[in-house]
Amino acid sequence: TQLLEQSPQFLSIQEGENLTVYCNSSSVFSSLQWYRQEPGEGPVLLVTVVTGGEVKKLKRLTFQFGDARKDSSLHITAAQPGDTGLYLCAGAHGNEKLTFGTGTRLTIIP
Amino acid sequence: KAGVTQTPRYLIKTRGQQVTLSCSPISGHRSVSWYQQTPGQGLQFLFEYFSETQRNKGNFPGRFSGRQFSNSRSEMNVSTLELGDSALYLCASSLYAGKETQYFGPGTRLLVL
Repeated sequence: TQLLEQSPQFLSIQEGENLTVYCNSSSVFSSLQWYRQEPGEGPVLLVTVVTGGEVKKLKRLTFQFGDARKDSSLHITAAQPGDTGLYLCAGAHGNEKLTFGTGTRLTIIP
Repeated sequence: KAGVTQTPRYLIKTRGQQVTLSCSPISGHRSVSWYQQTPGQGLQFLFEYFSETQRNKGNFPGRFSGRQFSNSRSEMNVSTLELGDSALYLCASSLYAGKETQYFGPGTRLLVL
C-alpha cells in the first residue's frame, strides 16, 4: 500500500487568513487529485495535476504538484467559511486505483 | 445528469446481522467503487466493479462482498456485522476503471450496536 500523508491533520483559522496544506508520499505518482468533502456529502473533485512542477489555480485555491511527483500542496488565499471541509488528496500509479490520503480537516472561523 | 445515489442514507444494525447497501451510478458510468470512511482510518478502498466484474479489491475481510448488475448498479453486503464496521460507506462511479475521477454519492452511514 502506498501511503499518502497529509498535514496538518486539523487546521482552524480565522476568515481572511491564508493557509497551506500538504500531501506527501515516498512514491511517485502518475497523477494526483484533490477532493473536498463537506459534512453529510461525499468528496468532490477540485483538481487533477499530472506534470511535475505543475501549478493550477481555482479562484483562491492554488494547487502544486512537486517536481518529483511525490508530493503536492494546496494553498488557500483569504480563506472563507465556505472553504470549511475535509480536504483529501488521491494519487494514482499508472492505471491502478486511486490511493487516498489521510485528510486535512479545515475549519474557517467567521 | 443525476448524481450518484445511495440507499439507504442511514442504517442501524446490531452485531451479527448482515446488511446490503445499494448504489446507482451516474448514467453512462460503468465503474463503481466502494469505500469505507472512519475518523480513525480515513477513506479506505473496498472494491471496484467494472462491467459486472470485480476489478480491484482492498484489504478487507471476506465478510465484505459486492456485485454489479448489467445496468451498472451495485450492491455491497457485509455479513456478521461487528462494532468496528460502523462507518460511512461511500460509493463512487466513473466512466472507466482505474485512476479515473471518482464521482461520489452522499454515502450510507452505518451504525452497528
